[in-house]
Amino acid sequence: DTAVSQTPKYLVTQMGNDKSIKCEQNLGHDTMYWYKQDSKKFLKIMFSYNNKELIINETVPNRFSPKSPDKAHLNLHINSLELGDSAVYFCASSQDRGLAGEQFFGPGTRLTVL
Amino acid sequence: AQSVTQPDIHITVSEGASLELRCNYSYGATPYLFWYVQSPGQGLQLLLKYFSGDTLVQGIKGFEAEFKRSQSSFNLRKPSVHWSDAAEYFCAVSAGGGNKLTFGTGTQLKVEL
Repeated sequence: DTAVSQTPKYLVTQMGNDKSIKCEQNLGHDTMYWYKQDSKKFLKIMFSYNNKELIINETVPNRFSPKSPDKAHLNLHINSLELGDSAVYFCASSQDRGLAGEQFFGPGTRLTVL
Repeated sequence: AQSVTQPDIHITVSEGASLELRCNYSYGATPYLFWYVQSPGQGLQLLLKYFSGDTLVQGIKGFEAEFKRSQSSFNLRKPSVHWSDAAEYFCAVSAGGGNKLTFGTGTQLKVEL
């Protein structure tokens, strides 16, 4: 009964390919997020969705496109992968979009671009 | 814009010793502050959070943190460290719209047996 799950856990691919990472939460939360953690462990938010509506869109290349088919799912699609996209990507969710909402994180997806 | 500074990249303590991890934030109003822990190969787990009220907050696993507005700090403490506490610790602030968490660069804790 994992709260926030991501698939795959590891993803190794070639430059130029297109790939997707899936995220699902079974907590009944309204808000979901994508974070990127680089090789120096620095975490930065990429996107946030509230009830399938995009509410945070940081300065991220438009090769990255989040898709939320319903409020329990937030997938991340990446086109034309580049070496610099190698990182660990974390999905998270929270009860609401307020400042006090505790965010629950998934286990991460380690993306390696060769 | 808000920011978080964790001055210590690495800290090593002996098991049973006390621990303090430093965190300083920059934000114009009262911030919402968090400490998360990341074990190797795992996601982040919330240790504790501060929104308002008592400036000393208790968290899970025996951790506590104290909010000091005058010093813009939110340091994490534990009186006696266990070997299982070895992990990466992140301080974060939530401010602005959309519950955007801004993280510090993390402190890696090593515990010597």
